[in-house]
Amino acid sequence: SQQGEEDPQALSIQEGENATMNCSYKTSINNLQWYRQNSGRGLVHLILIRSNEREKHSGRLRVTLDTSKKSSSLLITASRAADTASYFCAILKGGNTPLVFGKGTRLSVIA
Amino acid sequence: GAGVSQTPSNKVTEKGKYVELRCDPISGHTALYWYRQSLGQGPEFLIYFQGTGAADDSGLPNDRFFAVRPEGSVSTLKIQRTERGDSAVYLCASSLRQGTGELFFGEGSRLTVL
Repeated sequence: SQQGEEDPQALSIQEGENATMNCSYKTSINNLQWYRQNSGRGLVHLILIRSNEREKHSGRLRVTLDTSKKSSSLLITASRAADTASYFCAILKGGNTPLVFGKGTRLSVIA
Repeated sequence: GAGVSQTPSNKVTEKGKYVELRCDPISGHTALYWYRQSLGQGPEFLIYFQGTGAADDSGLPNDRFFAVRPEGSVSTLKIQRTERGDSAVYLCASSLRQGTGELFFGEGSRLTVL
């Protein structure tokens, strides 16, 4: 499958701790994106990292990309209860291909 | 509108019935996507439009599924002879154009086939 595969499937942490989610994929990519989905809602874009980038930051989010290992990680620092959601990575191969999503990591942040 | 709008938000139908789900993308977005999401799974690609034409419909599961976007804005996903296995949340997303980056998603239409 060309889709991203997140790891772990579920993660439970205490408020204030850092949360790390990983994504692996199998094809060459144009970019990799991370999305968040609260229960019963649509997906919200968090961050995009291009294939020629290695690291990006946005607020409490840090994303890394290792194209040689075909993997990415999303780090959420100083987590809050409001960060509780499912997080999905999605890969764009390029050209006219659609964005392909993984199965997601369910993050629970306990206050 | 300010965001992607999907109607209905919930649809309950009986097996064998015909269903239409509507998506109104962000104004000016030329690319429109349909995904299907089952419980506990990630969004599964169905079809996307660039303008009025279906650029890639490889994700449509069978010929009971069809989508149109006649004027390059609003899109309708049509499901004929619904089956219980069609029950899922159908998500619509739009982007400025294909391949440019982030997708903007609607809240989804939850379809339940009894």
